[in-house]
Order: sequence, then C-alpha cells, then structure tokens
Amino acid sequence: AQKITQTQPGMFVQEKEAVTLDCTYDTSDPSYGLFWYKQPSSGEMIFLIYQGSYDQQNATEGRYSLNFQKARKSANLVISASQLGDSAMYFCAMRDYTGTASKLTFGTGTRLQVTL
Amino acid sequence: DVKVTQSSRYLVKRTGEKVFLECVQDMDHENMFWYRQDPGLGLRLIYFSYDVKMKEKGDIPEGYSVSREKKERFSLILESASTNQTSMYLCASSRTYYRNQPQHFGDGTRLSIL
Repeated sequence: AQKITQTQPGMFVQEKEAVTLDCTYDTSDPSYGLFWYKQPSSGEMIFLIYQGSYDQQNATEGRYSLNFQKARKSANLVISASQLGDSAMYFCAMRDYTGTASKLTFGTGTRLQVTL
Repeated sequence: DVKVTQSSRYLVKRTGEKVFLECVQDMDHENMFWYRQDPGLGLRLIYFSYDVKMKEKGDIPEGYSVSREKKERFSLILESASTNQTSMYLCASSRTYYRNQPQHFGDGTRLSIL
C-alpha cells in the first residue's frame, strides 16, 4: 500500500524567506507521480507542482520547486521568497498508476503561516 | 480552465436523513472522485468512478454510496446520515491517460449532521 508522510503539522516563515515543506513516501511501484496542492482557508485545493518518478530533473513552477530525492523517497516542496498569500495548508500526494483510475493518496498536510 | 462545481458550500442535515452531494465537471474527464477531509487526517478517498455507471470503493466507503449516470456528474449519497459524517467533502476529476495531469477539485461542501 502507498503511504505519504508529512511530519510537520505547522510551520512559520518570515515574508521573503524560503521555506521547505517535507514529504516522504512509500511505494513498491517503480512508476508513480508526486503532486503538491495548496489549500487556503477558503477551502479550494490548488494544484502547485508535479514530479514523475522517472523525471531526471527536479520540477519547478515559478516560486515553487520540488527537491526530489528518489533513493530517500522524499519529495520536499520549496517555496522561495514567501508571501503573505502563501499562508495555507499544503498537501503532498502520490498517484497510483495501477488499477482502473489514477488514485491519489494524500498526506495529512502542513499548515504554513507567513509572518511579517 | 477546468471547472468542478459542487452543489453546496455549506449544508446542515439531521441524523437519519438521506443526503445527496452533487458534483459536476465540464472537461469531459473520465475519472471522478469523492474525498472527505478531517483535521489531522488529510484527504481520504470515499469512492471513485472511471466511467459512466462504473464505481469503485475507496478507503472509507462505509455509510456512503455513489451514482454516476452521466459522464459529467458524480453524486455522493449518505444513506442515513450520522454525526460522525460531519466533515468537509471534496469532489475531484481527472483524465485517465495523462500521467502528469492533476486532479481538479471543487470548492468543497462543509456538511454538518446534527
């Protein structure tokens, strides 16, 4: 069974600083995908970034980058130059490519608070 | 842009009632999903559907059923609502054959069972 672990229930970061949100995963499948989502207090889930298990380079999307260490089974999200609007819950998720549909398994999330 | 629309943002029902949560997507996605979100537990998959009239149980299907009569619509049914089903419910949709495509979520329904 697949498992996602996010060990930081809450994090604080000062505006304009960089922050790393941790995510480790466990799977026996050689082919998988890792996703990060942001959930503001309003509730909607916003897709941020994707990393495939066979991708040679770490994914980047604007201020978001993914520190993918396959041997360690970790996929940490790095947010550079934090902004007040980055305050939200962040979820790491892994896609399962077996079966009839590509299901996602989610971690328990990290609440990020950006301070002045 | 993909649009996933959930029928209600907030819903209050009584124990024993039959509750319907509706979800519609406008991007012709094959897959649709229902999750519930509880503090400290993340998102847990209740049911999903990979085609019209096709459904599969997720991790926590007990007390729920689903219906998918049309490709764009996926309904979650609480057969006899109980207080432990008070939660945030999220619907999502995705394509089957594109590995890097994310699931797209609706805004969620905060359901309270009194």
